[in-house]
Amino acid sequence: QVHLQESGPGLVKPSETLSLTCTVSGGSISGYYWSWIRQPPGKGLECIGYIYSSGGTNYNPSLKSRVTISIDTSKNQFSLKLNSVTAADTAVYYCARTARYLDYWGQGTLVTVSS
Amino acid sequence: DVVMTQSPLSLPVTLGQPASISCRSSQSLVYSDGNTHLNWFQQRPGQSPRRLIYEVSKRDSGVPDRFSGSGSGTDFTLKISRVEAEDVGVYYCMQGTHWPFTFGGGTKVEI
Repeated sequence: QVHLQESGPGLVKPSETLSLTCTVSGGSISGYYWSWIRQPPGKGLECIGYIYSSGGTNYNPSLKSRVTISIDTSKNQFSLKLNSVTAADTAVYYCARTARYLDYWGQGTLVTVSS
Repeated sequence: DVVMTQSPLSLPVTLGQPASISCRSSQSLVYSDGNTHLNWFQQRPGQSPRRLIYEVSKRDSGVPDRFSGSGSGTDFTLKISRVEAEDVGVYYCMQGTHWPFTFGGGTKVEI
């Protein structure tokens, strides 16, 4: 059974960079797309972007100028960086397998943007 | 972006009775490969979303057969044949055809 686990700081200051890592276990990271999705408190879900195991990426145009997703197949991990954050970026951030199908999800991690 | 519109926003249900959620997309979700990439997710309180249905009507492993998906083009439905207490939560449709992939606003199912 594939398991995903997000990790990273739960509090980020405005204008700084949010950095999260997703560790994949129970299966290989190779040969799949991997996604980041977020959910502001009490609100709906938004796709941030995804990466293929070979490194190709696709980002939501609404966030494209601030987002970088990278992958480290040797560690079975992929990562999210979102720079110049504001309070509007406060959300639960999820990592998930694939892009179109989102068949496995992590438990999510709450990131709060506040000084 | 493709707008996914769900109705109703809130769905009070009675145990053992059927329930139905509608999802409409602002564009056809038929992809160039001929597949329609419409998924349904269940999010129980305090949990991450769990996929129930993919490609309109294909049920995930372990999902009870009381859940079924149907529809085509821009009009889709999730049905629960007999609601059980464990079905409480928010249900989201999501399109995986046009990037950025987008979710509906959610339907809260409550007993």
